[in-house]
Amino acid sequence: NAGVTQTPKFRILKIGQSMTLQCAQDMNHNYMYWYRQDPGMGLKLIYYSVGAGITDKGEVPNGYNVSRSTTEDFPLRLELAAPSQTSVYFCASSYSSTDQPQHFGDGTRLSIL
Amino acid sequence: DAKTTQPPSMDCAEGRAANLPCNHSTISGNEYVYWYRQIHSQGPQYIIHGLKNNETNEMASLIITEDRKSSTLILPHATLRDTAVYYCIVRVAGGSQGNLIFGKGTKLSVKP
Repeated sequence: NAGVTQTPKFRILKIGQSMTLQCAQDMNHNYMYWYRQDPGMGLKLIYYSVGAGITDKGEVPNGYNVSRSTTEDFPLRLELAAPSQTSVYFCASSYSSTDQPQHFGDGTRLSIL
Repeated sequence: DAKTTQPPSMDCAEGRAANLPCNHSTISGNEYVYWYRQIHSQGPQYIIHGLKNNETNEMASLIITEDRKSSTLILPHATLRDTAVYYCIVRVAGGSQGNLIFGKGTKLSVKP
């Protein structure tokens, strides 16, 4: 029962570096989401996808890019890391957009120094 | 999406029922009520959801008032492992985006 798998679990980046956060799901879900959670706060949506080849911006997309070439994978790309992007990143997936629950991965803890 | 109001924190004795309230007075007829919890910065865990009727699963029960303006999540026999932040979220049906809007939730502390 893998569910939603995120890698890496932890990462430290220097300002200006780039990296890709990986997310994979094995539930054949159409919808996938990327959220970030800052300390003591709720989750905020970065990007989402309703199916392979289709992505759209969420509430806080600046500084990030995504792609969805397959149903299973939804990587999140940071091009020029900034201290404001220090956060915990969660990927989620669901079968539908509303009446089915989202299932979350365990998160990636990212520090930008 | 309608906003929700939850108490910031609650305590519960181990083995007793934990009743977590949520107000969603502006909820629309096509909005679902979802409950998630987050244990110590792990990924949010889905608990239960409902539209109009009360719901029960292996984790919890969800009681929705007849006017749908509030709901209560019930953990029937709380254990120390139920200590977590619990989020009540309303989610519109038929939306193209479907993301969850998380507030600050209720921090439930289960005590021995």
